[in-house]
Amino acid sequence: NAGVMQNPRHLVRRRGQEARLRCSPMKGHSHVYWYRQLPEEGLKFMVYLQKENIIDESGMPKERFSAEFPKEGPSILRIQQVVRGDSAAYFCASSPRPTPDEQYFGPGTRLTVT
Amino acid sequence: GDSVTQMEGPVTLSEEAFLTINCTYTATGYPSLFWYVQYPGEGLQLLLKATKADDKGSNKGFEATYRKETTSFHLEKGSVQVSDSAVYFCAPSYHNYGQNFVFGPGTRLSVLP
Repeated sequence: NAGVMQNPRHLVRRRGQEARLRCSPMKGHSHVYWYRQLPEEGLKFMVYLQKENIIDESGMPKERFSAEFPKEGPSILRIQQVVRGDSAAYFCASSPRPTPDEQYFGPGTRLTVT
Repeated sequence: GDSVTQMEGPVTLSEEAFLTINCTYTATGYPSLFWYVQYPGEGLQLLLKATKADDKGSNKGFEATYRKETTSFHLEKGSVQVSDSAVYFCAPSYHNYGQNFVFGPGTRLSVLP
């Protein structure tokens, strides 16, 4: 059973461009979570999705950020018009159930905005 | 809001030394408690967990006990190895519908040979 997969692992964007980060959850997992880790800081929750639904986006910035988890295909975190402050590691996690249980993390996408 | 306080790093120890990383959480509800570890360049991996008071989670020589009376979940290991060098995150998971973890800032551990 493959683990959580994220791609790309490294992404470089110029200011003003769009960044698309992809996350394929573990097989059988229908719950996906996105976290952001700024340099030398802990992980901050961004958004929790189930298939085709956003359940909790309380950690998402109000502008430029969006997330989706379509019926088919990976979950996508989209950042429009990136700024230098968006440079961070973005981690995706998945779980088989919505209970407060273990989440399985992907290796992360490191976004660098130049 | 819900929060977690974790011992600041970096922590530098010699091999075979005793390790303690303190963690306290806000007592909103009755969270499940987790320790995650992040090795350089990798994502987080579950190290251990405890879901109710007085439970002890253990794995790879690490252990932590859910102390409801002190709202703490301190991580301990009797004899650390160089391979334990990593960042350790304490993470309560509160039983709200969002089911998201509240991660501590992480404690970087360096073990010297």
